[in-house]
Amino acid sequence: AQSVTQLDSQVPVFEEAPVELRCNYSSSVSVYLFWYVQYPNQGLQLLLKYLSGSTLVESINGFEAEFNKSQTSFHLRKPSVHISDTAEYFCAVRGLNAGNMLTFGGGTRLMVKP
Amino acid sequence: SAVISQKPSRDICQRGTSLTIQCQVDSQVTMMFWYRQQPGQSLTLIATANQGSEATYESGFVIDKFPISRPNLTFSTLTVSNMSPEDSSIYLCSGEGGDTQYFGPGTRLTVL
Repeated sequence: AQSVTQLDSQVPVFEEAPVELRCNYSSSVSVYLFWYVQYPNQGLQLLLKYLSGSTLVESINGFEAEFNKSQTSFHLRKPSVHISDTAEYFCAVRGLNAGNMLTFGGGTRLMVKP
Repeated sequence: SAVISQKPSRDICQRGTSLTIQCQVDSQVTMMFWYRQQPGQSLTLIATANQGSEATYESGFVIDKFPISRPNLTFSTLTVSNMSPEDSSIYLCSGEGGDTQYFGPGTRLTVL
């Protein structure tokens, strides 16, 4: 079985400041890792994913995440946030050879202030 | 990627009634799933919708309360039966394509 821990339930940050949203996972098998974003009153959108290959993955809107196998982490970072980045961010893990089930973390609410 | 739509987007229902939520995917996907997101919470998997057979339910969810159909590879329905205020949540449908799950916009259900 897999589990995901998002260490921060809320992260307030000023506009144009850098941000890191932390995600740690536990799994006995190799994993795929995902970050989803949920804007207010909307569904989930895929932000970025790690399936294999380069451990650093990027999204089209400036976010990046690095898979660190030794630390079992997949932290999400952005060097300069915008007001429009205000949303709930969910980290999710899928264990290979463990079916198609996604396990979600508790979510981190990113609040960008002007 | 897959584009997923859901109907209705939101509803307000009376206690004891049932609501059926529809999920449509724009392309064939191997797997479809239904999730619940209670207010201020993360997502919990309700069940995997299997084409042409009974859904596979997660612990704590039963077919009598959440009957699911999937008549073909691009469509599924979830019914929330005999509703109570505790069923007030966002219900999300997802479809898997290429090792990635894509989500619908969700159905926001309020039970009075």
